[in-house]
Amino acid sequence: SYELTQPPSVSVSPGQTARITCSGDALPQKYAYWYQQKSGQAPVLVIYEDNKRPSGIPERFSGSSSGTMATLTISGAQVGDEADYYCYSSDSSGNYVFGTGTKVTVL
Amino acid sequence: QVQLVQSGSELKKPGASVKVSCKASGYTFTTYAMNWVRQAPGQGPEWMGWINTNTGNPTYARDFTGRFVFSLDTSVSTAYLQISSLKAEDTAVYYCARGDLSEVRGVMSYWGQGTLVTVSS
Repeated sequence: SYELTQPPSVSVSPGQTARITCSGDALPQKYAYWYQQKSGQAPVLVIYEDNKRPSGIPERFSGSSSGTMATLTISGAQVGDEADYYCYSSDSSGNYVFGTGTKVTVL
Repeated sequence: QVQLVQSGSELKKPGASVKVSCKASGYTFTTYAMNWVRQAPGQGPEWMGWINTNTGNPTYARDFTGRFVFSLDTSVSTAYLQISSLKAEDTAVYYCARGDLSEVRGVMSYWGQGTLVTVSS
């Protein structure tokens, strides 16, 4: 089955830039989406269609995609950005999958 | 405002069935796709599939065929997830999540609060 691979963890100091990668064979043809999930809460969409930001999401969140890798960037990370982040995309058959997840620590 | 309110936690024995509800408000129910997502304890979320709220046609992800059924009652703007022949590994939080189009894509803009289903003898 299709897999989206992410690093298990990323750690940055407040104000630094956090970059989370997501690797998947279908990403050259399929959009990447990114969800943030804080402990005990439902996921929240922070990036859609590779690089678009939903209303209400801070500008420090940005996305890009090139080849088989998509990247979520948090510029000037804040303590409040600590969460698990999941990329999300589909395979060639239209089945959607979440990535393996990345725990972001800001300290 | 858009709200998705799910039914409460369930404790079931192996082999039993469970039906989780997701009541929508604040928008026209039949306009947007409804996704279902499972999250086992300490694990990442899994997309279970989606249902076209206009036609009632469900689509199941590969790992969620056979024991899982999506249904609707449009008269009360509610989507349902039924799971039969429950197993211990079905223990998870189940979320409904609304798309932003009538057909599924990667956007899930609004989420229910989640329903914990625990399967234990």
